Amino acid sequence: AQKVTQAQTEISVVEKEDVTLDCVYETRDTTYYLFWYKQPPSGELVFLIRRNSFDEQNEISGRYSWNFQKSTSSFNFTITASQVVDSAVYFCALSVDSGGSNYKLTFGKGTLLTVNP
Amino acid sequence: EPEVTQTPSHQVTQMGQEVILRCVPISNHLYFYWYRQILGQKVEFLVSFYNNEISEKSEIFDDQFSVERPDGSNFTLKIRSTKLEDSAMYFCASGGDEETQYFGPGTRLLVL
Repeated sequence: AQKVTQAQTEISVVEKEDVTLDCVYETRDTTYYLFWYKQPPSGELVFLIRRNSFDEQNEISGRYSWNFQKSTSSFNFTITASQVVDSAVYFCALSVDSGGSNYKLTFGKGTLLTVNP
Repeated sequence: EPEVTQTPSHQVTQMGQEVILRCVPISNHLYFYWYRQILGQKVEFLVSFYNNEISEKSEIFDDQFSVERPDGSNFTLKIRSTKLEDSAMYFCASGGDEETQYFGPGTRLLVL
């Protein structure tokens, strides 16, 4: 079974601060995929980033960057120079390649990020 | 940019009534999913659908739930006899490749 833990329930920062959201995952599968989704107050789930288990290269995309470390089963997400519009609940999620036709997502409980002006 | 759409955005129903939640996935996607999110809680998997059949269903997805892809474009979730605890946001998602799922805006269901 898969498990995703987001230990930070809420984070509050001031605009322009950098903020890192933590995610720890558990799976016995060797091929898996990690995601971050954003849920703004309007309620929709917005896909942000995906990382494959066989690619540990960390990247930066605009103000977003992520740090994937298989050794610690962590997939942390950083927003640089945060803005008020970044205020949302952020979910880390995991899916595994079990060879079938199903890649269901297992979500963490989410981290509520509040960016204050 | 193509997106997943869901109707209705909100639904209020009486306990015991049947509801049908509708989704139009992104047109060339092959993998379809329903998830739910009880208020303030995490998003939970309900069911996955591929090649016109259910791939996997969770423990939540009991005999009261069913899914259908009636016309090759719509993807529906039916709850046969709603219970109070079915009140939640229901998200449809679709995927073109196996890994990335794109979510619709959700249907907020309230069972009274």
